[in-house]
Amino acid sequence: RKEVEQDPGPFNVPEGATVAFNCTYSNSASQSFFWYRQDCRKEPKLLMSVYSSGNEDGRFTAQLNRASQYISLLIRDSKLSDSATYLCVVIQIPSNTGKLIFGQGTTLQVKP
Amino acid sequence: DADVTQTPRNRITKTGKRIMLECSQTKGHDRMYWYRQDPGLGLRLIYYSFDVKDINKGEISDGYSVSRQAQAKFSLSLESAIPNQTALYFCATSDAGPTNTDTQYFGPGTRLTVL
Repeated sequence: RKEVEQDPGPFNVPEGATVAFNCTYSNSASQSFFWYRQDCRKEPKLLMSVYSSGNEDGRFTAQLNRASQYISLLIRDSKLSDSATYLCVVIQIPSNTGKLIFGQGTTLQVKP
Repeated sequence: DADVTQTPRNRITKTGKRIMLECSQTKGHDRMYWYRQDPGLGLRLIYYSFDVKDINKGEISDGYSVSRQAQAKFSLSLESAIPNQTALYFCATSDAGPTNTDTQYFGPGTRLTVL
C-alpha cells in the first residue's frame, strides 16, 4: 500500500461546479499535511496547509480527518484556471527533518 | 528572477554517460532537496541536505550522488546514466528557521531523457 494515495482522475467538471478530492495516508503518526498545485510541465507550488480544525482560503477548503486518516480539498465555483494536478503531501516524522511524502496527484480539468 | 533555478532545463543523453544537474537558490534557505517525478508515481525524494556539511539519502538514492558546494548550490550527478533514470527532476528548498512551515519551493525542473 502506498504511504499517500490519491485518485489520479482526471476529474472533468464544468465551470462553476464544486469538486472534492480525497487523499489517504497510511501512517497514523503523520504530523503535517499540505495541498500543492502543479500545472502541466511546471513545478509544484504550495496551495494550502491543512490544519486539524480545517481551513479555508477563498474558494478552497481543506479538511483533515485523523480518525480515518484522510485529508480533503474542496474547490467551489470552479474556474478554467483551476485546471491542474493537485498533490497531497504528508510529513510522517517530526518536521525538523523536513521530509515530505507526495501523493501521485489528482488531475482536474475544468471545462467551459 | 526565479528564486530556485535549475540547469539544464532539458537534456538528452546516452546510457553510460555521466550527467550533472545543477540547482541554485537565492532564497537563503539552508535545506535543499532533489526529487524525481515519474507518471503515476508522484515525486520521490532522491537526496536532501540541511546545510553545507550535511548530505542524506532519500527514498531512491541508488545510482545518484549529490554535492552541496555552498548554501546556495546543490548538484545531482548520475555517474552512469541508465534509461530508467529518464524522468523530470526537481530541486527544492525549504526554510529551517523559527518560522519554518516546511513549505518547499521548487525549481522549474529538468527533463532528462536517457537513450
